[in-house]
Amino acid sequence: KAGVTQTPRYLIKTRGQQVTLSCSPISGHRSVSWYQQTPGQGLQFLFEYFSETQRNKGNFPGRFSGRQFSNSRSEMNVSTLELGDSALYLCASNQRGDTVYGYTFGSGTRLTVV
Amino acid sequence: DQQVKQNSPSLSVQEGRISILNCDYTNSMFDYFLWYKKYPAEGPTFLISISSIKDKNEDGRFTVFLNKSAKHLSLHIVPSQPGDSAVYFCAARDHQTGANNLFFGTGTRLTVIP
Repeated sequence: KAGVTQTPRYLIKTRGQQVTLSCSPISGHRSVSWYQQTPGQGLQFLFEYFSETQRNKGNFPGRFSGRQFSNSRSEMNVSTLELGDSALYLCASNQRGDTVYGYTFGSGTRLTVV
Repeated sequence: DQQVKQNSPSLSVQEGRISILNCDYTNSMFDYFLWYKKYPAEGPTFLISISSIKDKNEDGRFTVFLNKSAKHLSLHIVPSQPGDSAVYFCAARDHQTGANNLFFGTGTRLTVIP
């Protein structure tokens, strides 16, 4: 079966712009989580969506937002981009919405803010 | 503040020998611990997990040990193979918050030398 698909793979944006990243989970997976990976911080939790509802949110500013559609696809938006937002953004899906069963991650979107 | 720490950024091991990757944590409310493996340009892949009520879980060449009193867990890979060369992330879930997000360490890059 198809894995978690993230688009685009690479993105270059200018400081102050906004960006939208997309994630299509594995078919049947209703939980979608987003993580930011930076070299010094590892993976940091952004938010989780389950059945179109944001169920949990990490400690990130309000410039980071997301949503989930009825087909479980999710988008993440970052407004007023800052240089520090440059990172690999990973989306992960999970069938039961319980992380003890592990996530399936996508390959990520590499965002560079210049 | 990093609740999950991987203090060794890198580890090199000869093929056929044992690889031991270490992880320390500070939050005594973590109830599940997971290990993920990440190859370049790919998302992390779930490897193995352990409940906080156990002290060992084994899956083929991979064994995870948990020492709750020391707040320490380790992943043993025996025997190590060149294909095991990747970045390994330790992760944990805080059951007390009722949330399903994971706290990740910063990763250890394992290189298995043929």
